Amino acid sequence: GQQVMQIPQYQHVQEGEDFTTYCNSSTTLSNIQWYKQRPGGHPVFLIQLVKSGEVKKQKRLTFQFGEAKKNSSLHITATQTTDVGTYFCAGGGDTGRRALTFGSGTRLQVQP
Amino acid sequence: DSGVTQTPKHLITATGQRVTLRCSPRSGDLSVYWYQQSLDQGLQFLIHYYNGEERAKGNILERFSAQQFPDLHSELNLSSLELGDSALYFCASSDVSHSGNTIYFGEGSWLTVV
Repeated sequence: GQQVMQIPQYQHVQEGEDFTTYCNSSTTLSNIQWYKQRPGGHPVFLIQLVKSGEVKKQKRLTFQFGEAKKNSSLHITATQTTDVGTYFCAGGGDTGRRALTFGSGTRLQVQP
Repeated sequence: DSGVTQTPKHLITATGQRVTLRCSPRSGDLSVYWYQQSLDQGLQFLIHYYNGEERAKGNILERFSAQQFPDLHSELNLSSLELGDSALYFCASSDVSHSGNTIYFGEGSWLTVV
């Protein structure tokens, strides 16, 4: 079945440093979505990428979808303490018919 | 507020017992998904219902079952509970049957089995 791997599992940065999490799928994806879960909270949708090679930005966050539609990355520039949480990627099956498959998540800790 | 409502928020029960978790999707959403999140773990997909019909099954144990009712709310039934079933159970909803659209998560039901 479809598997989505995410690395690193955990990252601790100083405030102001950059952060990147990577997501790799075992199969071609119809789309990739990113969610953020604050400590004690529930996952909240951040963005969706659909096109091969697509790049989207949200303020300090940059999201990329690979050319083969099997990998993605989330990069945060100049992290802030408000960025603390777990970032999950979630891949949609290439037929678009399966439920999203979530990566294992990257937990980001930002030290002020 | 995502619009997805889950009850109860917290539940403590003994091993061997049975519990039912309830979910009301966002207004207009036909799809309901259930996910399990153990401590410091990722989101494990359990099951997906669309307009009352089961659409996909993930790593759902035989002791667990779910259904979606005509009013679109869903219930997840967990029976013969074991200590390892302690987790945060999320319900999520979407307006479509496929994985192409955003899903909206409820706040979760914390289950503790003692």
